[in-house]
Amino acid sequence: AQSVTQLDSQVPVFEEAPVELRCNYSSSVSVYLFWYVQYPNQGLQLLLKYLSGSTLVKGINGFEAEFNKSQTSFHLRKPSVHISDTAEYFCAVSEVGSNYKLTFGKGTLLTVNP
Amino acid sequence: GAVVSQHPSRVICKSGTSVKIECRSLDFQATTMFWYRQFPKKSLMLMATSNEGSKATYEQGVEKDKFLINHASLTLSTLTVTSAHPEDSSFYICSAKSSGRARHEQFFGPGTRLTVL
Repeated sequence: AQSVTQLDSQVPVFEEAPVELRCNYSSSVSVYLFWYVQYPNQGLQLLLKYLSGSTLVKGINGFEAEFNKSQTSFHLRKPSVHISDTAEYFCAVSEVGSNYKLTFGKGTLLTVNP
Repeated sequence: GAVVSQHPSRVICKSGTSVKIECRSLDFQATTMFWYRQFPKKSLMLMATSNEGSKATYEQGVEKDKFLINHASLTLSTLTVTSAHPEDSSFYICSAKSSGRARHEQFFGPGTRLTVL
């Protein structure tokens, strides 16, 4: 079965600084990878996804992520964060052929300070 | 497009009562819907997968007789928490998957906060 590890439960940064949220996964088969953002008391919004092809994926709000198969990682990056990026970020994996079932990491709370 | 709604957004009920949560795909047909539970400061835990017209598939450890799921149409799935207890208090989130466009993506509802007194 697949699993997802988000190494940092909280990441505080200052506004306009770069940020990287780390995600590692474990699976015995090919996977699809996702990053979601959740604002307080709301559902999840898709930031970006990797299905196949280019390992560098660009998403909404200036975020990007790189799939590294050898390191089984899918780290999320943004070169310059805004206060409005403060939210919980979840990495998720879906094994190919699993009827698109998602397994989520425990989440990383990104707090952007002025 | 690809909007999923949930109703109610918040519900408070007494212990022992049943609560029904609706999940609707507003602008697409959802052949598959998923129900998740999220505890405070925790990740989302998949409870069950619901396919239109068939019985839901529950994850290990989830009581199917307590969490009744019905997927009666291509736009509606319901989760009924039967004989609710305080430990059932949680944030319940549904998602829907389209059979057409963006078939690898799940579209999430805004969630339902359940508080059992």
